[in-house]
Formats: sequence, C-alpha cells, structure tokens
Amino acid sequence: DAKTTQPPSMDCAEGRAANLPCNHSTISGNEYVYWYRQIHSQGPQYIIHGLKNNETNEMASLIITEDRKSSTLILPHATLRDTAVYYCIGAQRSGGYQKVTFGTGTKLQVIP
Amino acid sequence: ETGVTQSPTHLIKTRGQQVTLRCSSQSGHNTVSWYQQALGQGPQFIFQYYREEENGRGNFPPRFSGLQFPNYSSELNVNALELDDSALYLCASSLNSQGGYTFGSGTRLTVV
Repeated sequence: DAKTTQPPSMDCAEGRAANLPCNHSTISGNEYVYWYRQIHSQGPQYIIHGLKNNETNEMASLIITEDRKSSTLILPHATLRDTAVYYCIGAQRSGGYQKVTFGTGTKLQVIP
Repeated sequence: ETGVTQSPTHLIKTRGQQVTLRCSSQSGHNTVSWYQQALGQGPQFIFQYYREEENGRGNFPPRFSGLQFPNYSSELNVNALELDDSALYLCASSLNSQGGYTFGSGTRLTVV
C-alpha cells in the first residue's frame, strides 16, 4: 500500500472551501486514492475515491495530479459538522481483497 | 439499508481473558474487515474476510482470529488479552471491495 503524508491539522472558516492535501508519491498504478473522515467517537465515514480522474460526489471533490503523486480533497462549503479527522489512503482493489491502511490523518477544525 | 452494527459498544476485560466482538455487515456486503484503533491513532488493519475466508491480514499475532458466517456477519476473537489490546475495534463491510467501506461505530475494549 502507498504511504501517504498529510498535514496533522488545518483550520477552515465556516462556509469557505476546505482543501485538504495528501502526498502519495509511492502509489502504484493499480492503487486507488480513498478519503475517509472520522468524527469523534464514531467509525470512519467513506467520502470519495478515485484512480486517475478527478471525482465529485454529494460530499466532496477529489483532485488527483496527473502524476498521481498527490491529491486534494475539497469540501466546497465547510460547515461545523465537517470538523473531523480526514484520512487519505492508497488501496488496491483486486481479487476481493482491499487492505486499507490508515495513517494519522489531518484534523480539520471548522471555525464559526 | 441498515448499515454496520457492532456489539457490544463497550466492554471491560481482565488481562489473560478472551473476548469475542460481533459485527453485522451492511445488507448485501460480502467483505468484512476489522481494525484496531488506539487512542489518538488511525485505525490499524487486523484482517479481512471475503466469502467466509480470511484473505488478508495485517501485522497482528495469531491470538487475533476471526470468523465470517454465511449471512456475512462476523466475529473478532482475541485470546490472552494484554493491556495494550485496549482500543476501539472497528468493523467495516464492503461489496467485493467496490467503492468504499462502511464502518460500524466500534466496540470500546478496556483491558485491566
């Protein structure tokens, strides 16, 4: 699995876009980039994933650089409920086996 | 869609004892993974089951074992409990590793 590097913490003003970076320079060609978040005392929540192309869903957008060595998760209009630890993960999807390895993540604090 | 449910929510055990944690996967999901999350750390992958067979394992000793049943529910068993086994244990399910994993809220295990 790719080793990922994220800043330990970030602040974002409520209503503004939160841009969370992730470096995954050792990611292999068949590894997807996944993002999860964990709100205090709850299980992680899946946000979005992608391989090469940028992706968007109802929660967020994922921008992956062309060389796939880094990506950015964008929460377009952060709310107080988005305060959480955000994890960027590289994981293979094949043969029914996907080992998801979490790092220490980025603690995002949304400020009123 | 009922999500992933885990039981019990909290548990206190004595060092040397054995514990069984239970997980009901999200309806239709045939892949289940277990994670250990120590305080202040990201979740650590223990193992994964796909169609009742273990098909991936993290860096955990054999005293951590599991089962997946035909209805895709699952158990995590830990023998000879140690103080360092105190953690939040998370169960996550997925359909053939497609998309992201759905996590339960976890079982908080305290070993005294």
